[in-house]
Amino acid sequence: QQQVKQSPQSLIVQKGGISIINCAYENTAFDYFPWYQQFPGKGPALLIAIRPDVSEKKEGRFTISFNKSAKQFSLHIMDSQPGDSATYFCAASMVGNQFYFGTGTSLTVIP
Amino acid sequence: DAGVTQSPTHLIKTRGQHVTLRCSPISGHKSVSWYQQVLGQGPQFIFQYYEKEERGRGNFPDRFSARQFPNYSSELNVNALLLGDSALYLCASSLTWALQETQYFGPGTRLLVL
Repeated sequence: QQQVKQSPQSLIVQKGGISIINCAYENTAFDYFPWYQQFPGKGPALLIAIRPDVSEKKEGRFTISFNKSAKQFSLHIMDSQPGDSATYFCAASMVGNQFYFGTGTSLTVIP
Repeated sequence: DAGVTQSPTHLIKTRGQHVTLRCSPISGHKSVSWYQQVLGQGPQFIFQYYEKEERGRGNFPDRFSARQFPNYSSELNVNALLLGDSALYLCASSLTWALQETQYFGPGTRLLVL
């Protein structure tokens, strides 16, 4: 059973546009929600993370929006750049427990 | 500072064989976690080791085993390889056992089982 569901599978955005990736979870015990960025041939790298006590967290062009009641969270990439082209994974975990990753979104930003 | 290093980078094995993958964490990191990433999927947690003890295990068969050495490097062993074991195997290190702490991933070992 997929603990974290991620959509869309792939996304094409114009340079300067907004990229939005969505994730949903079922387990209300999850209390940590990170997003990872992975380039081809590299391991995932932590981009930004949020805990459920806040509804939004912003770091530069990257924002996580969190809706606890809907059990959904999303990544917004503002002013998307070609260098943002990568695969993005959401994940969820609870204290002392493993991470559950989504299936990934392949983002392509076209100039 | 060197990041997480893994060896080998690529490996080809046949069904039934055994494989050993190696990981060196970032200097000062005492926790190592192993993940399996099948093509087109997100990483799946296999093991976590902290201070040479297993702290967590994912839903993988007993053919998978791991250990951590006194220098905090780690090995992942897979016995009786199956075609379905073909994947990218990722190692991640962090300072402590708390998995919610930032984990730094290595580039992975790509295993192909024929």
